[in-house]
Amino acid sequence: GAVVSQHPSWVICKSGTSVKIECRSLDFQATTMFWYRQFPKQSLMLMATSNEGSKATYEQGVEKDKFLINHASLTLSTLTVTSAHPEDSSFYICSALTGAGELFFGEGSRLTVL
Amino acid sequence: QQQVKQSPQSLIVQKGGISIINCAYENTAFDYFPWYQQFPGKGPALLIAIRPDVSEKKEGRFTISFNKSAKQFSLHIMDSQPGDSATYFCAASASGTYKYIFGTGTRLKVLA
Repeated sequence: GAVVSQHPSWVICKSGTSVKIECRSLDFQATTMFWYRQFPKQSLMLMATSNEGSKATYEQGVEKDKFLINHASLTLSTLTVTSAHPEDSSFYICSALTGAGELFFGEGSRLTVL
Repeated sequence: QQQVKQSPQSLIVQKGGISIINCAYENTAFDYFPWYQQFPGKGPALLIAIRPDVSEKKEGRFTISFNKSAKQFSLHIMDSQPGDSATYFCAASASGTYKYIFGTGTRLKVLA
């Protein structure tokens, strides 16, 4: 299957700082990528849809100014958690859509805000 | 109508047994039904997927059964192994859209 790489896999930051997470499709071009948040033992919560060259579409209840998404190329989308606070600590996962409509996920990024 | 209902929430199976996870949907526009396997601390991995033109798809020990009239599909894991212990998510999407709707997940534990 297609490969999606996510980096970093694990990050700790101080409250008030910003953290950037990268999501790359390694062997295919992805016009559309998605960002999810997953709480322990729960399902995937879609945060936003990232489209190359245009603004991201955020799900209801997700703060656009808190979670900045940029999809500047067909192989890279980034999620920046701005002014992070302990309640933003979570497991963030990206995914990318192939031209055939298949969805592949990154390895996930564990964010801990102190 | 956009929901995908998954059951059971958790499942314990003896090694060598058959694990069965079920999903049901309402939206008849859905035409692609994948299953994902997720290990703790990792992202979900695409396991197997089916489209409505077939009623069954088998890949190794994993089989999807699809019942279009009942709007249900299920994952069967034959000869379950401890290494299969993970969380499994079903999903559904419709051609022409990019939205995937995920089930709530099933935590499978296979006892050695």
